[in-house]
Amino acid sequence: SQQGEEDPQALSIQEGENATMNCSYKTSINNLQWYRQNSGRGLVHLILIRSNEREKHSGRLRVTLDTSKKSSSLLITASRAADTASYFCATIGGTSYGKLTFGQGTILTVHP
Amino acid sequence: DVKVTQSSRYLVKRTGEKVFLECVQDMDHENMFWYRQDPGLGLRLIYFSYDVKMKEKGDIPEGYSVSREKKERFSLILESASTNQTSMYLCASTSGVVGTDTQYFGPGTRLTVL
Repeated sequence: SQQGEEDPQALSIQEGENATMNCSYKTSINNLQWYRQNSGRGLVHLILIRSNEREKHSGRLRVTLDTSKKSSSLLITASRAADTASYFCATIGGTSYGKLTFGQGTILTVHP
Repeated sequence: DVKVTQSSRYLVKRTGEKVFLECVQDMDHENMFWYRQDPGLGLRLIYFSYDVKMKEKGDIPEGYSVSREKKERFSLILESASTNQTSMYLCASTSGVVGTDTQYFGPGTRLTVL
């Protein structure tokens, strides 16, 4: 079963603008990860945030985690056309051998 | 460079055929996973394995089986392919019991069952 929802389902912006994607989940987690998928390809890991962390940065990416609200957001600053892709959040909870539960993803289109 | 490879990028099979999808990882990971991805449904876990010869059902195991004879290789088997198994199949691996590390994905196999 899907862990949660992602919002929005699709996002269309101009190059240089910031893109924010949100993810909600239902059960307690060990960590939350964000992945990117270019059309028809495999998933690429972007960033991992642990349940005891509130914010994490990696280059132009900023991820926040609010465990009280069971939600996370991914911010991509100064977006580029090459950022066009689908973005997924995924959670790991308990002793799960790394089993991920995915949201349904946000399709981001960045127009040059 | 870490690597997860899948045997085929595209595969076309007929209803009733037995289908094997192979996945190999070179990172000595204990845990390996098979997901399928469908529009509007996201990624769903079919099976996973946390050790050689060990397997656990995921969320949608019906119609599938798996084999893990060697640590680096995890195979997904469709015993009798059906049209509703047309999908993108993604393999992944990670390490550890809690699995707090990055999960690495293969490039995917797009399977069409006619």
